[in-house]
Parts: sequence; C-alpha cells; structure tokens
Amino acid sequence: QQPVQSPQAVILREGEDAVINCSSSKALYSVHWYRQKHGEAPVFLMILLKGGEQMRHEKISASFNEKKQQSSLYLTASQLSYSGTYFCGTAPINTGTASKLTFGTGTRLQVTL
Amino acid sequence: GAGVSQSPSNKVTEKGKDVELRCDPISGHTALYWYRQSLGQGLEFLIYFQGNSAPDKSGLPSDRFSAERTGGSVSTLTIQRTQQEDSAVYLCASSLRGEGVGRFFGPGTRLTVL
Repeated sequence: QQPVQSPQAVILREGEDAVINCSSSKALYSVHWYRQKHGEAPVFLMILLKGGEQMRHEKISASFNEKKQQSSLYLTASQLSYSGTYFCGTAPINTGTASKLTFGTGTRLQVTL
Repeated sequence: GAGVSQSPSNKVTEKGKDVELRCDPISGHTALYWYRQSLGQGLEFLIYFQGNSAPDKSGLPSDRFSAERTGGSVSTLTIQRTQQEDSAVYLCASSLRGEGVGRFFGPGTRLTVL
C-alpha cells in the first residue's frame, strides 16, 4: 500500500526550513528518501532502518518513528539546490526486506530567492 | 561506466508493437530494479533481480511485460503489444546487496505509445 506524503507541495524562500512527512498504514522495516529534479533520475538521500539512528545528508536529516509508522525529512536552511520532488519509499516489516519499496506520490519543493 | 545507463533515452512506438528497453547497472551491483513513472506520479515497482535468485516479478502489470537479466549484469525489459497506457518513463536502478543501501537510478527511457 502506497505511503502518504505531506505536504504535496511547498514553496520556501532560501534559508527557510521545511518538513516533509511520510506515513504508512503498515509497520515498517525501512524508509528510503530520494530527491528528483525535473527531467532527471531520482537521487538517493538516505535510509532509515527499524531501530536505527536518525540520519543526515548535508543539511537534510530524517527521523523514523516506528510506533507511528512515519518518517519525517527535515530540510534546514534550504538552498536553491534543494528544489525538486522528494519521494519516500517504504518497506513493510512483514517482508523483512526492502527489495520491493513502495514509493509515495512525492512532495514538490521549490526554493526561491 | 560510473553510473547506471539506459537505452534508448526516448522511444516512440505505435500501439501494438513490441519494445525492448535496456539497462546497464553499476559494475558490482548485484541487485537490479525496474520502475515505471507516469507523468507527475510516483515510482511504480515492476521487477527486482538479486544475483542468481529467481526475480520478484510481482509488480509487472500484465503478462505483456517481461524482463530478463543476463550474466547477472545487463537487463532488458520487454513490453509486447504496447498500449497507450504503457506510456511512461521506465527507470532502472541498481544497488549493492543488503538492506542499508540506496538505489542508484539510471536516466530512464521515456516511452510514448501512439
């Protein structure tokens, strides 16, 4: 079942912060985060595993709340280069593997001057 | 090459024709995935190969879709008797084996069925 991402879109001024949420109806084994710029392939940002620590990629960090079956992506002091569509991919715990991630529909982020 | 490569980058075909899409993964990556992305949509899982294990084909939308991976490296996705709803960007990704690893995506093949 597809995870739900929120918000669907957000516009920021450079330097502002944003949070993108990813929620699943299933207990999760892992959550992946990817960013896709227009016309390009998705680029891997980070993975959060059940029982793992909060992860960080440059000024982007993410958390994984196993009880709530939810992950949040935190973009701090946003830069123009952060613009793109952010996708979370989830792997349910009953499979015990991330071989078949189910991706959300994405959150479109635009950073302006 | 340094990254995942896919060919062709664009393919326009007529309804009913067969098409073949190719993916060349990163050297040393044992896992290979195919996804489909329709305009403005998320990534739809199609098929997963891991080493010599039987592929996970559970995402293939119909029996018109098939894929193979030869020699544990290059993969070909074949769509027979294409339909207009098959129009999408087909993305291939590869990764190392294991759960704590990310996927590296190729640039995709944009398929348009007229």
